[in-house]
Amino acid sequence: AQSVTQPDIHITVSEGASLELRCNYSYGATPYLFWYVQSPGQGLQLLLKYFSGDTLVQGIKGFEAEFKRSQSSFNLRKPSVHWSDAAEYFCAVAKGNAGNMLTFGGGTRLMVKP
Amino acid sequence: DGGITQSPKYLFRKEGQNVTLSCEQNLNHDAMYWYRQDPGQGLRLIYYSQIVNDFQKGDIAEGYSVSREKKESFPLTVTSAQKNPTAFYLCASSRQGRSGGELFFGEGSRLTVL
Repeated sequence: AQSVTQPDIHITVSEGASLELRCNYSYGATPYLFWYVQSPGQGLQLLLKYFSGDTLVQGIKGFEAEFKRSQSSFNLRKPSVHWSDAAEYFCAVAKGNAGNMLTFGGGTRLMVKP
Repeated sequence: DGGITQSPKYLFRKEGQNVTLSCEQNLNHDAMYWYRQDPGQGLRLIYYSQIVNDFQKGDIAEGYSVSREKKESFPLTVTSAQKNPTAFYLCASSRQGRSGGELFFGEGSRLTVL
């Protein structure tokens, strides 16, 4: 079965600094990979997704992620963090032939210092 | 505007009582899902339904029940058999098939057992 690991439970960055959130997955075949963001007490919103092709994908709100098959990773990055980016971020993986059945990582809570 | 509506947003229950969480969508999506969220554990799938009058157990279905009598509605009942029901519950929907795996989420229902 597929699994997702987000090694960092909490991350704090200063506003304007760069950000990288780590995600490692375990799945035998080509996965579908996703990053979602959740504001406190709210549902989740899709930031970006990877299915195939270019391994660097662009998402909303200035986020990007890079798929590295050799490292089984799909890390999320942003060059300059804004205070409004403070939220919880979830990486998820789906089976390639069942793209809607997602397994989520435990999440990383991002705090932004002024 | 299309979306997913969950109600109630907050719910308190005494031990031994069943409660039903509502989930309604007007996105014309075939598939609907219920997830449970606990701190540090990400989202875990309770039940999902890919078509009306059909549903399948997810990873943590014990103590829960669902129905799917209408395409728009997928209510979740938390029964007294659920040993630790206090959690944040998220409903989601998606298009059927290999549509890209994007789940659309409601804003969640927080259940507290007193």
